[in-house]
Amino acid sequence: EAGVTQFPSHSVIEKGQTVTLRCDPISGHDNLYWYRRVMGKEIKFLLHFVKESKQDESGMPNNRFLAERTGGTYSTLKVQPAELEDSGVYFCASSQGDRGGWKLFFGSGTQLSVL
Amino acid sequence: GNSVTQMEGPVTLSEEAFLTINCTYTATGYPSLFWYVQYPGEGLQLLLKATKADDKGSNKGFEATYRKETTSFHLEKGSVQVSDSAVYFCALSQLSGGYNKLIFGAGTRLAVHP
Repeated sequence: EAGVTQFPSHSVIEKGQTVTLRCDPISGHDNLYWYRRVMGKEIKFLLHFVKESKQDESGMPNNRFLAERTGGTYSTLKVQPAELEDSGVYFCASSQGDRGGWKLFFGSGTQLSVL
Repeated sequence: GNSVTQMEGPVTLSEEAFLTINCTYTATGYPSLFWYVQYPGEGLQLLLKATKADDKGSNKGFEATYRKETTSFHLEKGSVQVSDSAVYFCALSQLSGGYNKLIFGAGTRLAVHP
């Protein structure tokens, strides 16, 4: 069974440009999460989808970030326009369970560098 | 709000040494506690968990005990191997809108040398 897949693995863009990150969760997992780790600090929660609906987007830093989950399958996270402080590793995770579950399966992350 | 604090790394050990990575938490209520591990080039994966006070989680020779009185969940292993080199994240779960949400610490990098 395929794990959580994230694309691209690395992205280097200039300030002001747009970047779109993609996450393919494990098939059948209704819960999909986005997390971010900046400068070796804690992994911070961004948002949580249940199927195609945003259950919790309290961690989204500002309106330059837009997450979607088309048809409850894969998800995209768009940053537009990107700023220097957006650099970091963006992790996607998925899980089963009506209440979100606690066993999250993570992708290997997208390393975003904004220059 | 809820938070997790881990000891800063990197932790550098020789093979077969004893490992302790400290983790303390701040939380309302009684969260479940977890250790996740990230091996080089891979995503995080669950290493062990404990759901209530005095529970001991264990896996692959690693152990951690949920200590409510000291709000701690320190990770230990009696004899580390080179293959244990990774970044270890302590985490707790909190309920948000009826759903579990994981709160992570900053991670501790472990490097084991032969």
